[in-house]
Amino acid sequence: DAGITQSPRYKITETGRQVTLMCHQTWSHSYMFWYRQDLGHGLRLIYYSAAADITDKGEVSDGYVVSRSKTENFPLTLESATRSQTSVYFCASSTGRSRKGSPLHFGNGTRLTVT
Amino acid sequence: QKEVEQNSGPLSVPEGAIASLNCTYSDRGSQSFFWYRQYSGKSPELIMSIYSNGDKEDGRFTAQLNKASQYVSLLIRDSQPSDSATYLCAASDSWGKLQFGAGTQVVVTP
Repeated sequence: DAGITQSPRYKITETGRQVTLMCHQTWSHSYMFWYRQDLGHGLRLIYYSAAADITDKGEVSDGYVVSRSKTENFPLTLESATRSQTSVYFCASSTGRSRKGSPLHFGNGTRLTVT
Repeated sequence: QKEVEQNSGPLSVPEGAIASLNCTYSDRGSQSFFWYRQYSGKSPELIMSIYSNGDKEDGRFTAQLNKASQYVSLLIRDSQPSDSATYLCAASDSWGKLQFGAGTQVVVTP
């Protein structure tokens, strides 16, 4: 039971480069999410997706792009990386069965450093 | 701005004692609440969900919800060194998306 897998686990990149973080889940969950976690800010939502080809912005979406052509994959792209995007990125999924809010299941995270 | 607030801690708790963690939320439309535990360098893991006013117990953990006061709490009974972690409170918004607090660090001392 692989669950939800993120890759790479660690990434160092330079300012201005494009970077793609991968997320793959085997549960067939409808909903997928990208969060970033920074000291003092907790987890902040970048983008989420309710189903394949349906995505929407979260509270900190500037500078990020997502796609979801298949239910199981939800890649996050930093179009032109900046130092402020140095963070730990978590992908998560949920069944979304409850309109009230369903619990999230998280991947292991990607630690991204932008130099 | 919808917010979920937690004391950052650290909350120092003697081994065997009760740890009490508090969380307040601003969105009155929130209907689902979750507590996650996060060890240093690891991903958050779900430990409790609560949807109705009152208490919900699961092993050594008890979650308490008071929607009128917009308040959620987590009690950890018989605290163990393995409970040392950061605890994240999360509340769903009107669309079902989760808003997280910044977390409370708990340190259980032998």
